[in-house]
Amino acid sequence: AQSVTQPDIHITVSEGASLELRCNYSYGATPYLFWYVQSPGQGLQLLLKYFSGDTLVQGIKGFEAEFKRSQSSFNLRKPSVHWSDAAEYFCAVGPLQGAQKLVFGQGTRLTINP
Amino acid sequence: DSGVTQTPKHLITATGQRVTLRCSPRSGDLSVYWYQQSLDQGLQFLIQYYNGEERAKGNILERFSAQQFPDLHSELNLSSLELGDSALYFCASSVGRPGVVTNYGYTFGSGTRLTVV
Repeated sequence: AQSVTQPDIHITVSEGASLELRCNYSYGATPYLFWYVQSPGQGLQLLLKYFSGDTLVQGIKGFEAEFKRSQSSFNLRKPSVHWSDAAEYFCAVGPLQGAQKLVFGQGTRLTINP
Repeated sequence: DSGVTQTPKHLITATGQRVTLRCSPRSGDLSVYWYQQSLDQGLQFLIQYYNGEERAKGNILERFSAQQFPDLHSELNLSSLELGDSALYFCASSVGRPGVVTNYGYTFGSGTRLTVV
């Protein structure tokens, strides 16, 4: 069965500190991986995606993620967080072949301390 | 603007009523996906249409139905509404084709917030 696990429901970091949000997936085929961010009351914005190639992918807003096939992980990182990064972050997995649904993790809520 | 348009943005209705949520996909995208986001269930996949035909179904209640029209817009119909149906309903679209491996993406609309009172 396809599933995505985000082990941390809520993370609090200080502004300027580094951040790592964990994501583990279970997928029967080669996955297509995504990270989305959702600010309160807003829709989902794509941060980055991994399709193939270099396993370290760069996204918007200074985020990056690393795909590790051996660990079935796709962790999101940022070297220095800003107060505006406070939001909910969702990891998702989909198929390489198109026209199939995304499966989402439960999300990680990020709080930034000033 | 993501290119996926959802209307209305907010909807308040009473229990037992029926509502229709509308989604216009990004230009060129043939697939439309509906998701429900509630506090206790997270983002749950409801249903997918591809080029007018139902392609996949998730945990969609029998009181809910959807369709995709020839112009590719989609409507999600929710009937006999209950308090527990209060949630944010998202529509997403993608350009991916069945069986075709490409670097496609999914684009989400800003959602419809449904409040059942």
